Amino acid sequence: QKEVEQNSGPLSVPEGAIASLNCTYSDRGSQSFFWYRQYSGKSPELIMFIYSNGDKEDGRFTAQLNKASQYVSLLIRDSQPSDSATYLCAVRGYGSGGSNYKLTFGKGTLLTVNP
Amino acid sequence: GAVVSQHPSWVICKSGTSVKIECRSLDFQATTMFWYRQFPKQSLMLMATSNEGSKATYEQGVEKDKFLINHASLTLSTLTVTSAHPEDSSFYICSAQGGLAGFAGRETQYFGPGTRLLVL
Repeated sequence: QKEVEQNSGPLSVPEGAIASLNCTYSDRGSQSFFWYRQYSGKSPELIMFIYSNGDKEDGRFTAQLNKASQYVSLLIRDSQPSDSATYLCAVRGYGSGGSNYKLTFGKGTLLTVNP
Repeated sequence: GAVVSQHPSWVICKSGTSVKIECRSLDFQATTMFWYRQFPKQSLMLMATSNEGSKATYEQGVEKDKFLINHASLTLSTLTVTSAHPEDSSFYICSAQGGLAGFAGRETQYFGPGTRLLVL
């Protein structure tokens, strides 16, 4: 069974600091990886996706992928109180057939940025 | 781009009634739509996957006859909770995927705002 593990937190950082969110996955055949942000009472919204080893930067967000270690992370620089939310890591397998098109979600990490 | 809407956003109903939730991709034609359920302080649970014009694929443990899914077009999928009971009260979220250019367009799921269902 495919598993995606995240530290449930809460992770608390001061405003302006770097928040580091981590995720590991069990299926070595996984091909694409997504980070979603979910505010309390709202639905998830996409922050970033990554499918190649290395870093991918978008504004204050950097996703890092290491397929050999089956590890993906999200760094948030200059954290703001508005970044306080639950961050969901999602992993998708390969191909479009069978169950591989589905996303497997982690349980999420609650991030709190303190002013 | 990639906007997904859901209607209604809130439903309160009596036990035994049926509730229909609509999910629409507003600015793209989604090849696949997904239905999730989320209980308080828990992660998303995939209920079913639907492709336009074909029967939905349900996850293990999800009752097909209770959660009816219709995917009539590339922009509309509906979830009907039949004979709802208090234990069906939850946050129901749809997502849509495909129909857009590039990796993101093909591979990314874009979520609707969700529908809160409360069954009394």
